[in-house]
Amino acid sequence: AQKITQTQPGMFVQEKEAVTLDCTYDTSDPSYGLFWYKQPSSGEMIFLIYQGSYDQQNATEGRYSLNFQKARKSANLVISASQLGDSAMYFCAMREGGGTGFQKLVFGTGTRLLVSP
Amino acid sequence: NAGVTQTPKFQVLKTGQSMTLQCAQDMNHEYMSWYRQDPGMGLRLIHYSVGAGITDQGEVPNGYNVSRSTTEDFPLRLLSAAPSQTSVYFCASSPRYEFRNNTEAFFGQGTRLTVV
Repeated sequence: AQKITQTQPGMFVQEKEAVTLDCTYDTSDPSYGLFWYKQPSSGEMIFLIYQGSYDQQNATEGRYSLNFQKARKSANLVISASQLGDSAMYFCAMREGGGTGFQKLVFGTGTRLLVSP
Repeated sequence: NAGVTQTPKFQVLKTGQSMTLQCAQDMNHEYMSWYRQDPGMGLRLIHYSVGAGITDQGEVPNGYNVSRSTTEDFPLRLLSAAPSQTSVYFCASSPRYEFRNNTEAFFGQGTRLTVV
């Protein structure tokens, strides 16, 4: 079963508008972390934002915010005031489990965002 | 700030050839890992290490070897390249996790490998 589902293969938004990229996840572990990464055309993976399962408030990082709805198991990324440089592939990822052992990141298939002038 | 450095950035191999993808990090992170990225499939874990001398298999380990002799370096070896190993490879590092304090993985620039 898919652990991370990103249902939007592509999204279009006009510059200066806000856009929401969807992510739903599946886990039975009460302790987990959710991440969003940006991959521009140059190929590198850039960390954007993190939300812990026990965090009471939605995470925010500048123009990025994470709309965390735990009961619905969704962790949507909201980009406010889109810029041309936001055009990229965006990946949602989850790390399960607490403690100090290594846990892999499980990635979704990504959403390609195109920002138009 | 170098972070995670991968070399080479691009490589073309013939079927059956072997090669090593290099990965080095200068952040003194305990955890290092290798992922491959294929179209439509996101990133999948190949191998990982929780410290020098300790490695383990991930989701798709077949055809790859790793070793970790130092904290800084975590090379990935392709023993006998196959066309199915054509992919983009990412090395990642992260500090040791603390409960309720998960930290992000820092990724290298990636290596685009083509096996013909």
